[in-house]
Amino acid sequence: DQQVKQNSPSLSVQEGRISILNCDYTNSMFDYFLWYKKYPAEGPTFLISISSIKDKNEDGRFTVFLNKSAKHLSLHIVPSQPGDSAVYFCAASAQRGSEKLVFGKGTKLTVNP
Amino acid sequence: NAGVMQNPRHLVRRRGQEARLRCSPMKGHSHVYWYRQLPEEGLKFMVYLQKENIIDESGMPKERFSAEFPKEGPSILRIQQVVRGDSAAYFCASSPRLGTGTEAFFGQGTRLTVV
Repeated sequence: DQQVKQNSPSLSVQEGRISILNCDYTNSMFDYFLWYKKYPAEGPTFLISISSIKDKNEDGRFTVFLNKSAKHLSLHIVPSQPGDSAVYFCAASAQRGSEKLVFGKGTKLTVNP
Repeated sequence: NAGVMQNPRHLVRRRGQEARLRCSPMKGHSHVYWYRQLPEEGLKFMVYLQKENIIDESGMPKERFSAEFPKEGPSILRIQQVVRGDSAAYFCASSPRLGTGTEAFFGQGTRLTVV
């Protein structure tokens, strides 16, 4: 039973364009969502998060949008840079500060120069 | 300030052997989490520990797996009598206090291969 789904295993965009990574969840108890970035042979690095009381959170080139009614969130990267090429994981928890994160399978983003 | 340190980075074990994975949290962090990533999968929560206490082990397989975080020294994830299905990347994360597991810092992982 996959509670957090990233249906696109991969995404390829041109440098300077927008990258949009999508994530769907099924558990209505989730109220805190995070995006992690992972390079090969490294651990995940926290990127950005959003609480369920918000519908948007922005940090520099990264913006996360949350649509609670659709149980959908997305990560926008504008403008995309080659250094953004990595696997991006969506994660959720049932309570801010919960020690247990539920991860999606990841989307591999490739930004072409 | 060194990050979360995991060792070894790569570990090869024959079926039936024991695997010991070590995690030293960031300085000042007293909460440790272990996650496992199977090939082509996302990370899955295994266990959450504080010093000398297991707080949540709901993600740990019932048999062969154990974890500890002693008063002194690193946290250890032990897998006894390894099988091929245990081959995965094991990630440790740490956070400074209760309730910040969602903002934990991850180590580089230990890649376990069972042959």
